[in-house]
Amino acid sequence: EDQVTQSPEALRLQEGESSSLNCSYTVSGLRGLFWYRQDPGKGPEFLFTLYSAGEEKEKERLKATLTKKESFLHITAPKPEDSATYLCAVGGSTLGRLYFGRGTQLTVWP
Amino acid sequence: NAGVTQTPKFRILKIGQSMTLQCTQDMNHNYMYWYRQDPGMGLKLIYYSVGAGITDKGEVPNGYNVSRSTTEDFPLRLELAAPSQTSVYFCASSYPRVQGINEKLFFGSGTQLSVL
Repeated sequence: EDQVTQSPEALRLQEGESSSLNCSYTVSGLRGLFWYRQDPGKGPEFLFTLYSAGEEKEKERLKATLTKKESFLHITAPKPEDSATYLCAVGGSTLGRLYFGRGTQLTVWP
Repeated sequence: NAGVTQTPKFRILKIGQSMTLQCTQDMNHNYMYWYRQDPGMGLKLIYYSVGAGITDKGEVPNGYNVSRSTTEDFPLRLELAAPSQTSVYFCASSYPRVQGINEKLFFGSGTQLSVL
């Protein structure tokens, strides 16, 4: 059965303290790994898509990487406005069906 | 620039009542989805559609029905509401540009439903 596990469940960082969020997955025939940001009371907002092991993408203080079994979301010198829940999702060979992890709730304090 | 629009934003139902959650998108996306999100849990796929007239079950379809008569609209019907259906519901859409590849989802702002 396809499965996505995110760790840690919650992470508290001081402003400027870099760290990484992990997303491990088991899916037959990976057809895309997605990272989303979700603020309280809102829908998930797209951040990155990765398709192949070794692929990396960056956006401001965020960098996503992908291996054959996991993805990391690296946060460099975070700011309080980076506080949110970060969701990971994977798509397998059945197009249209994405499997989401439970998310990592990130809090960045000044 | 509306994107994906869901109505209502909040609703309280009594056990056994029925209702329809509305979802419309103006991006001409052929794929549309309904997810539910329970506290501390990931998003679970209820139903999805790859085009008008085509729908398929996701992970948690029991107690729900959908229809897709147009590209823009994808309503979700709850029949005989139960407390287990208390959740936040998200509609999403996507547009696969390359065959065989999943594309990113655009989400609505959600409907918070309580069944009491």
